Amino acid sequence: QQQVKQSPQSLIVQKGGISIINCAYENTAFDYFPWYQQFPGKGPALLIAIRPDVSEKKEGRFTISFNKSAKQFSLHIMDSQPGDSATYFCAASITGSSNTGKLIFGQGTTLQVKP
Amino acid sequence: DVKVTQSSRYLVKRTGEKVFLECVQDMDHENMFWYRQDPGLGLRLIYFSYDVKMKEKGDIPEGYSVSREKKERFSLILESASTNQTSMYLCATRVGGVDRPQHFGDGTRLSIL
Repeated sequence: QQQVKQSPQSLIVQKGGISIINCAYENTAFDYFPWYQQFPGKGPALLIAIRPDVSEKKEGRFTISFNKSAKQFSLHIMDSQPGDSATYFCAASITGSSNTGKLIFGQGTTLQVKP
Repeated sequence: DVKVTQSSRYLVKRTGEKVFLECVQDMDHENMFWYRQDPGLGLRLIYFSYDVKMKEKGDIPEGYSVSREKKERFSLILESASTNQTSMYLCATRVGGVDRPQHFGDGTRLSIL
């Protein structure tokens, strides 16, 4: 119930291509879905996030697509660049009224963009 | 910018030792977290704290304890280190609710021999 399943584990894309990472969840109470980006030797950092009241959110070349009925969401990186090479984590949580909530992270996807 | 500082980037300890990992933040954030990161398993929450002297178990608390005596410092303690605790450990902070960004340190790579 509390798991978030992420795929693929690793991904290789040519420069200029589209990178797609998928996540699936079971708990329908989840109402906040962020993506974190982690460069080698660094901690993860928030990249983009979505709530289930919208089906898509775009920030620059990064887009989250959300399918509430399928309980799935995905990250699309358009025009992928070598500088996008990193590990990406999806996550989910229940916001509610408490400040003590926690994120449930997916397993991570290592993206390599070849020049 | 929020700064989350973990005391060591690399640490090597022996089985059975008591190990302390320290995390310090400079932004007065009330929430602090300890995760471990393992390939194929993602980030798993060990413990978190939402105030001084307050702590909550995460998903994998066994073999660990924590201490938060001051708001800016959150310590992770391995009471008796074992080889299966070899991992990357990440500290994070957050101000406000779960829909606010979590700010991570750069991690401590811990090897237990």
